[in-house]
Amino acid sequence: QVLLVESGGDLVKPGGSLRLSCAASGFRFSDYYMTWIRQAPGKGLEWISVINHHGNSPYYADSVRGRITTSRDNGKNSLYLQINSLRPEDTAVYYCGRGSAPPDYWGQGTLVTVSS
Amino acid sequence: DIQMTQSPSSLSASVGDRVTITCRASQGIGDDLAWLQQKPGEAPKSLIYGASSLQGGVPPKFSGGGSGTDFTLTISSLQPEDFAIYYCQQYHTYPFTFGPGTKVDI
Repeated sequence: QVLLVESGGDLVKPGGSLRLSCAASGFRFSDYYMTWIRQAPGKGLEWISVINHHGNSPYYADSVRGRITTSRDNGKNSLYLQINSLRPEDTAVYYCGRGSAPPDYWGQGTLVTVSS
Repeated sequence: DIQMTQSPSSLSASVGDRVTITCRASQGIGDDLAWLQQKPGEAPKSLIYGASSLQGGVPPKFSGGGSGTDFTLTISSLQPEDFAIYYCQQYHTYPFTFGPGTKVDI
């Protein structure tokens, strides 16, 4: 079955960096666009990034553009999200999703907390 | 960016009730509209795509409608497991924005 498992979330200080991973299984990873969304505590869902099959031309939301990089390794069935210059408002659960328009499966999420 | 609004923001209902949630886009999006369900402490779950097509495994008590700017999600007979927050999402134009959510509780 389709399984997406995020990891890498942590408590980091403002200005720090973090790399999140999403391990995919149960489907041909290279056939799918992949999506990242996030959810701040007690808030709604926020779409932040999408990447195509080949890993080129990622697209980012304005709220994170310039501070994040989405990449993938199709050989490892893995999706990544590099977040730099972390701010308290980046505190959220980060979810990866299979597909883009729209995603049909979601992982369980990984928590990023930005605090001094 | 395309802005998505939902109404109501919350509603109280009983088991067996028929419930309808409305989602509106700030500009036309054709039928590029998805609905997601999220229960407390859980990841979102995709319910509907293309405004009215059910994702695999989603029971037919869920139905979606609309096109252009106005959309609906209807749950035909609420069950205890349906109490959750429901989000709409447009995927017509990047960024693929979400509505603020509608909380359905008892």
